[in-house]
Amino acid sequence: GNSVTQMEGPVTLSEEAFLTINCTYTATGYPSLFWYVQYPGEGLQLLLKATKADDKGSNKGFEATYRKETTSFHLEKGSVQVSDSAVYFCALSGFSGNTGKLIFGQGTTLQVKP
Amino acid sequence: GAVVSQHPSRVICKSGTSVKIECRSLDFQATTMFWYRQFPKKSLMLMATSNEGSKATYEQGVEKDKFLINHASLTLSTLTVTSAHPEDSSFYICSARRSGGRAGSGELFFGEGSRLTVL
Repeated sequence: GNSVTQMEGPVTLSEEAFLTINCTYTATGYPSLFWYVQYPGEGLQLLLKATKADDKGSNKGFEATYRKETTSFHLEKGSVQVSDSAVYFCALSGFSGNTGKLIFGQGTTLQVKP
Repeated sequence: GAVVSQHPSRVICKSGTSVKIECRSLDFQATTMFWYRQFPKKSLMLMATSNEGSKATYEQGVEKDKFLINHASLTLSTLTVTSAHPEDSSFYICSARRSGGRAGSGELFFGEGSRLTVL
């Protein structure tokens, strides 16, 4: 079936460190891929997305490239800030028979220390 | 950007009572809304897809008689947890897709979530 797998957290980094959060997926058809972020006490927000293979989504210094050959959509940021501390969810949609719903990974908590 | 509002944000109720949670799209029309449940340290589990003017589509394993969903207008969907029990305590999140948005495009907007605690 369709699924998303993220790396286990929490991920703890010092400010200005390089961030990678791994995400791999299984899907039928040609899904779109997303990263959502949930800051403490807030709802989910779309961070970035990619709708086809080799597309790179980017926003707020974060990037992720849709790799069909490795079925991956890893999230990266070159220099994290304390304000990036949040839970990050990888998700997919648009697979065969999809009605628009999103399938989420389990979420990865990022803690950035000053 | 588009805003989705949930109410109440927190609710505490006694076991056996029913609780209604509202999800409103404030500045756009939404023919489709989704209800998710988020467990502590776990991902979001899709409970059901709510379509305006028709019955909701429930995911496998979700009790439709326990989690009643109504989508009576293009800006409002409600989730009613009937005869709530402590195991229903959770964080419930709704999302809405703007009418005309392409299915699978990810043009979903999320509410702030509602934390239900059943005593």
